[in-house]
Amino acid sequence: GENVEQHPSTLSVQEGDSAVIKCTYSDSASNYFPWYKQELGKRPQLIIDIRSNVGEKKDQRIAVTLNKTAKHFSLHITETQPEDSAVYFCAASFNSGGSNYKLTFGKGTLLTVNP
Amino acid sequence: DVKVTQSSRYLVKRTGEKVFLECVQDMDHENMFWYRQDPGLGLRLIYFSYDVKMKEKGDIPEGYSVSREKKERFSLILESASTNQTSMYLCASIQLAGGRNEQFFGPGTRLTVL
Repeated sequence: GENVEQHPSTLSVQEGDSAVIKCTYSDSASNYFPWYKQELGKRPQLIIDIRSNVGEKKDQRIAVTLNKTAKHFSLHITETQPEDSAVYFCAASFNSGGSNYKLTFGKGTLLTVNP
Repeated sequence: DVKVTQSSRYLVKRTGEKVFLECVQDMDHENMFWYRQDPGLGLRLIYFSYDVKMKEKGDIPEGYSVSREKKERFSLILESASTNQTSMYLCASIQLAGGRNEQFFGPGTRLTVL
C-alpha cells in the first residue's frame, strides 16, 4: 500500500519568515495530494490540494509543489503569522473516479510561528 | 455547512468493556472513515465505508469493527477494550466536488481505557 513520509516533525520559525514542509510517497499511482491543518484542540481541515497533472498550486500565502518523478510534494507558507501555528498533515491517494477515496496521511509537522 | 458529529468528546472505559463510538454526518456523503490519532504517529486509518453495509479495513483494523446500517451513521466498535486503544478517535466523511475530495472531520472522541 501507499506510504507517506513527512519532514520535519517540528518546525519553528519567526513571524514573517517562510516555512516549508516536505513529503514523499511510495505509490506512483497516487494522483491526489491534499494538505490538512489542525490547530490545537480542533479538527483537521483541508487547506490546499493538488492533482498529479499540475506541478504547482497557490492560494494566497500558501503553495504546494509536486514532483511526480521524484514522488515528493511540498507545502510552502510565506510571510508566516502566529495563526499559522498548527500541525500540518500531508496525504496521498489514488482516485480513479470510483468509490475508493482512502487517504494515507503523513505523521504531521508541528509548526510554531514565534512573534 | 457540512456537519460531522461524534457521540462523545471524552470517554473513559475499563479494560474488557465493549465500546461504541458513533459518528453522524448530515450531507448524504457515501464515504466515511474512522481514524485514530496518536502523538508522533499522525492519522491512521482504522476502517472506512463507501456505502451502506459496505466496509473495508484500513491500516490498523485489529481490535476494531464497524457498522454502517444507515448512510449518515458510521459506528466504530471496540469489542474488548484494551489500554493500548487509549487514543483520540476521529471520524470523517468525504465531499466530492469539482475534483476536490475534501474530508470533513468530526470533533474527535478522546477515549481512555483503564
